[in-house]
Amino acid sequence: AQTVTQSQPEMSVQEAETVTLSCTYDTSESDYYLFWYKQPPSRQMILVIRQEAYKQQNATENRFSVNFQKAAKSFSLKISDSQLGDAAMYFCAYIYRDDKIIFGKGTRLHILP
Amino acid sequence: EADIYQTPRYLVIGTGKKITLECSQTMGHDKMYWYQQDPGMELHLIHYSYGVNSTEKGDLSSESTVSRIRTEHFPLTLESARPSHTSQYLCASSEFRGTDTQYFGPGTRLTVL
Repeated sequence: AQTVTQSQPEMSVQEAETVTLSCTYDTSESDYYLFWYKQPPSRQMILVIRQEAYKQQNATENRFSVNFQKAAKSFSLKISDSQLGDAAMYFCAYIYRDDKIIFGKGTRLHILP
Repeated sequence: EADIYQTPRYLVIGTGKKITLECSQTMGHDKMYWYQQDPGMELHLIHYSYGVNSTEKGDLSSESTVSRIRTEHFPLTLESARPSHTSQYLCASSEFRGTDTQYFGPGTRLTVL
């Protein structure tokens, strides 16, 4: 069965610094999608970034980028120039075709002013 | 922001009452989901639907029921609320292709006294 593991329940980073959130997953499939979602306190969950497994190039979205290591089944999120508004729960997620999406348990990110 | 709505946003209710949590989306998405999430914790899928008249139970056993009579509407009902049902309930939708992004509603925070 597919699993998604976020080994860091909580992290802190100084404002303007760079932080990397870890995510590993387990699957026997080769063509799947990976996501990072952000859930700010008391606000709506939104998509941060998405990666297609068949693409070798790492996805980027402004200050957010991923390090996708398919062989290692690793999908980390790097946030550059951290801002106070980046404080949130971050969920890593995996989906294969029409199967149900699988979420990790989340990493709570604190931004220190 | 995604066009997916949940009402009410907050609900405090006594034990034994019947409640219905509403979820609507205007994006024409075939797939809809209900998640249960305690504050700051992981998401648990409790129900999902792949289209009209299609409903399935998720990974977490729930005493709630759902219906999907219209594409845009996916209400969740608790026939007899109990304190153990106190949680946040998130609704989400996505296009039929399972690899597409899930769009989340703002959530309903339910407290059962």
